[in-house]
Amino acid sequence: NAGVTQTPKFQVLKTGQSMTLQCAQDMNHNSMYWYRQDPGMGLRLIYYSASEGTTDKGEVPNGYNVSRLNKREFSLRLESAAPSQTSVYFCASSGPGPRLYEQYFGPGTRLTVT
Amino acid sequence: LAKTTQPISMDSYEGQEVNITCSHNNIATNDYITWYQQFPSQGPRFIIQGYKTKVTNEVASLFIPADRKSSTLSLPRVSLSDTAVYYCLLTGANNLFFGTGTRLTVIP
Repeated sequence: NAGVTQTPKFQVLKTGQSMTLQCAQDMNHNSMYWYRQDPGMGLRLIYYSASEGTTDKGEVPNGYNVSRLNKREFSLRLESAAPSQTSVYFCASSGPGPRLYEQYFGPGTRLTVT
Repeated sequence: LAKTTQPISMDSYEGQEVNITCSHNNIATNDYITWYQQFPSQGPRFIIQGYKTKVTNEVASLFIPADRKSSTLSLPRVSLSDTAVYYCLLTGANNLFFGTGTRLTVIP
């Protein structure tokens, strides 16, 4: 099992450009999440999807959109990138198991907006 | 979002026991207390989870008093590889606030 995979690993954008961060999990998890982590800071929840077909805003949703394409995939879109969106983006998933809401994280996408 | 409060940083010598306390005064009845560990350039990974009293696994122990308003993560005999950021979360019904965590530095 690959667990949670994210593409790309690194990306540099110019202000105003758009891009989509891809995330996929092969653990048959119902819930998926997108976080951002700024240097020296903790993780902040952008959006989450409790199940296929549903999405909800987290702590910092402004400037982002998400799509839960199917049970495996959850994408994050930046429509018009801004320097304030320079960050590391982590995708995570969670599902039924012995530990309630245990999240499995991907390796992250390091995004720089100039 | 129910929040937690942890010390920003801690230092410890190799081989010592480390206790990191987390305060969560507004914990809800359905919330579990979950701790994650994060190394630089990696996503967090689960360490331990508990609801009340004491939980122990192969890497850590978690102590939760009866009122559940705080919890303590205990790492026995830390090594240099335990240098990381440790996050305390309340997990229940998508309550997912990571906070800034505690940066633990293990000194040789």
